[in-house]
Amino acid sequence: RKEVEQDPGPFNVPEGATVAFNCTYSNSASQSFFWYRQDCRKEPKLLMSVYSSGNEDGRFTAQLNRASQYISLLIRDSKLSDSATYLCVVREDTGRRALTFGSGTRLQVQP
Amino acid sequence: NAGVTQTPKFQVLKTGQSMTLQCAQDMNHNSMYWYRQDPGMGLRLIYYSASEGTTDKGEVPNGYNVSRLNKREFSLRLESAAPSQTSVYFCASSESGLSDYEQYFGPGTRLTVT
Repeated sequence: RKEVEQDPGPFNVPEGATVAFNCTYSNSASQSFFWYRQDCRKEPKLLMSVYSSGNEDGRFTAQLNRASQYISLLIRDSKLSDSATYLCVVREDTGRRALTFGSGTRLQVQP
Repeated sequence: NAGVTQTPKFQVLKTGQSMTLQCAQDMNHNSMYWYRQDPGMGLRLIYYSASEGTTDKGEVPNGYNVSRLNKREFSLRLESAAPSQTSVYFCASSESGLSDYEQYFGPGTRLTVT
């Protein structure tokens, strides 16, 4: 079983729609969570951290459910420019504390 | 301020050939990383350098070597390329260490081994 699992998509949504992605992680020692964004054929970039209480950054909301071991990313009022692959990233807070990247969920926002 | 730069952008090798991927950062970061990205898989850490003068194996180090030439530069060498090394290679850097959650990535090198 992969440490971090994501639905690869693609999620095809019209502009203005609300879309949500989930990501599940297998290691209960994982303590820190992040979302990265990767545009087609480009490098990944940090989008936002995920806090235990949930957090918002403009149209983006990230939530964590430790009991069920998943995190989610909600995008409201989707824009064409949101089209990208969203990578779920977890980090154990013991041992080497390296980042573990999911394979990503592709979002295509259509006009 | 170019961030993280990588050369070359594209490369085609024959099985058994060798090559070095170059990476440089101008953000005065202490830590640098090499990842590979394959379809359906997340980024996987090949090697990292927590600080100048140190290197450590990541998740998938076999078939690769690295050199931290100075604080700015971190190269990845394939001594005898194999088709299984066909991938997109990303170099990244961060301020202080492996646990940094914000890593800054270069544009990637697309490598095909035939």
